[in-house]
Amino acid sequence: AQTVTQSQPEMSVQEAETVTLSCTYDTSESDYYLFWYKQPPSRQMILVIRQEAYKQQNATENRFSVNFQKAAKSFSLKISDSQLGDAAMYFCAYRSAYSGAGSYQLTFGKGTKLSVIP
Amino acid sequence: DAGVTQSPTHLIKTRGQHVTLRCSPISGHKSVSWYQQVLGQGPQFIFQYYEKEERGRGNFPDRFSARQFPNYSSELNVNALLLGDSALYLCASSFNDQGVETQYFGPGTRLLVL
Repeated sequence: AQTVTQSQPEMSVQEAETVTLSCTYDTSESDYYLFWYKQPPSRQMILVIRQEAYKQQNATENRFSVNFQKAAKSFSLKISDSQLGDAAMYFCAYRSAYSGAGSYQLTFGKGTKLSVIP
Repeated sequence: DAGVTQSPTHLIKTRGQHVTLRCSPISGHKSVSWYQQVLGQGPQFIFQYYEKEERGRGNFPDRFSARQFPNYSSELNVNALLLGDSALYLCASSFNDQGVETQYFGPGTRLLVL
């Protein structure tokens, strides 16, 4: 079974600064997808960014980018120019790319609570 | 476009009762997944349905069941409620986005079992 670990329960960043959230995962599969989701206090889970394991290029979405290290099974999220609206719980998630039972579910880490200091 | 909607937003039940939670997916999405999120934890997968067929089931007891309707909306049913069933229940709908099935979440239903 796959596992996702987020070792930082809480992080803080000054507004306009850059912060990196860590995520590691354990899998024996070679093809999979990785996601970062954001859950603000209003609780709606929002997709931030996704990465296909077969792609060597790191995904970017505006101020959000990832550092995907497949050999190290690491998938960190970098938020640049942090804004007050970035304050939320951030969840890293894994999904298998193979079809079959158990392959369609997302496996989540426990989350990192990000605070943005004005 | 409307996002994933869930009802009710909050619910209070007592132990032993039954509950039904409802979810409407984003228009055009044919797959619906259910997750349980206990306070302070990441979501745990319960079920996924695609075209009205169960495509996956997580490690939850048989008290949990679900179904998907012809319009792709879905219901999650929980029987014989336990205190430990208190959680935020999230529904996600998904579609194939450039070859990657991506899940989009609703606001959730907060269930409190007393």
